[in-house]
Amino acid sequence: DAMVIQNPRYQVTQFGKPVTLSCSQTLNHNVMYWYQQKSSQAPKLLFHYYDKDFNNEADTPDNFQSRRPNTSFCFLDIRSPGLGDAAMYLCATSTIRTGSEKLFFGSGTQLSVL
Amino acid sequence: AQSVSQHNHHVILSEAASLELGCNYSYGGTVNLFWYVQYPGQHLQLLLKYFSGDPLVKGIKGFEAEFIKSKFSFNLRKPSVQWSDTAEYFCAVNAAGNTGKLIFGQGTTLQVKP
Repeated sequence: DAMVIQNPRYQVTQFGKPVTLSCSQTLNHNVMYWYQQKSSQAPKLLFHYYDKDFNNEADTPDNFQSRRPNTSFCFLDIRSPGLGDAAMYLCATSTIRTGSEKLFFGSGTQLSVL
Repeated sequence: AQSVSQHNHHVILSEAASLELGCNYSYGGTVNLFWYVQYPGQHLQLLLKYFSGDPLVKGIKGFEAEFIKSKFSFNLRKPSVQWSDTAEYFCAVNAAGNTGKLIFGQGTTLQVKP
């Protein structure tokens, strides 16, 4: 049974057209992460929520925003997608954030920008 | 800044061959180390992790990894691979006590020929 669910699996958007990717979890985990993975590159952390506390990575572009309306859901908003934003976007959760716990990943959303 | 380097981008083996995937990290402090695996069409999942104790860690499906602090390495091994081990393997590091931020290597694609 899927525990971290990302929808849709594939998303196509137009250059400059806002797009939202969604993630939900049935694990009741405190922490939710958004990673960006471009082709043949390492997943890169964009930001994470610890409960409602939002933590942005220093090098995450302002174009990327996130919302977490409740424990179960987290959204990634790309305000004006560029061609360089085409990537796989991975959502992950963990119970706490000491650093030794494992992450539970969703299957990802592959974003294409036309 | 922390970084993770995986030596091989693409490895091709025959069934029953032995496997060793290299991983080196750069960080001077205490770290937590992980190997994640992504089977075709599936999400990233934890293979094994090290955060303290015995530097030889055993994971699922017969995989093991050895933490060698002096070499900043955490190589993944399996004595005899199977076709079902075909997947992408990611090494990741987290500074102990950090906010759960994983730094991933760029991944190694393993192809096992039957």
